[in-house]
Amino acid sequence: KQEVTQIPAALSVPEGENLVLNCSFTDSAIYNLQWFRQDPGKGLTSLLLIQSSQREQTSGRLNASLDKSSGRSTLYIAASQPGDSATYLCAVLVQGGKLIFGQGTELSVKP
Amino acid sequence: DAGVIQSPRHEVTEMGQEVTLRCKPISGHDYLFWYRQTMMRGLELLIYFNNNVPIDDSGMPEDRFSAKMPNASFSTLKIQPSEPRDSAVYFCASSEQGYLETQYFGPGTRLLVL
Repeated sequence: KQEVTQIPAALSVPEGENLVLNCSFTDSAIYNLQWFRQDPGKGLTSLLLIQSSQREQTSGRLNASLDKSSGRSTLYIAASQPGDSATYLCAVLVQGGKLIFGQGTELSVKP
Repeated sequence: DAGVIQSPRHEVTEMGQEVTLRCKPISGHDYLFWYRQTMMRGLELLIYFNNNVPIDDSGMPEDRFSAKMPNASFSTLKIQPSEPRDSAVYFCASSEQGYLETQYFGPGTRLLVL
């Protein structure tokens, strides 16, 4: 059974700092891995999608990597801003079209 | 496009009542997903449709839950009878052409069953 774990559960950093969020999954048989952002009381916004054949994806200040063989992904946020404060969710897409989510990392960027 | 639309945004009901949640996917998207989010279990897929046909409903917790998609622009998730443990945020999402594509989420319906 696929399980997705995110560490840390919560993170607080000062503005301007670079940071890394971690995601691990137990079964390497995935189609893709996605990082989402969730603001309080809101839905999820897709940030990056990495296909199983890819190693990384970049969008602006965000860079996500995927090491399928070791079951790990990282989301790197450069020069963090208070507006980056949110919960970040990692999810893997498995056979049958199911997205399996981690519990998320709650990020707080202090001005 | 307005994105995925869900209604109501908030619902408070009493145990035993029927609850109907509604979703309008993004126009042209062939896949529609229903998720439930709780503190204990996080985000879980309940059911998904392809071209209005249910493909996998293995995540539906009990027979009290049912979902329909009568046409490409509308889906419902019904709970009958509702129980306090059904209290959660229910999300609808849609994707274009295939479940390998990015899913776009609606704002969710926050359900409280008293």
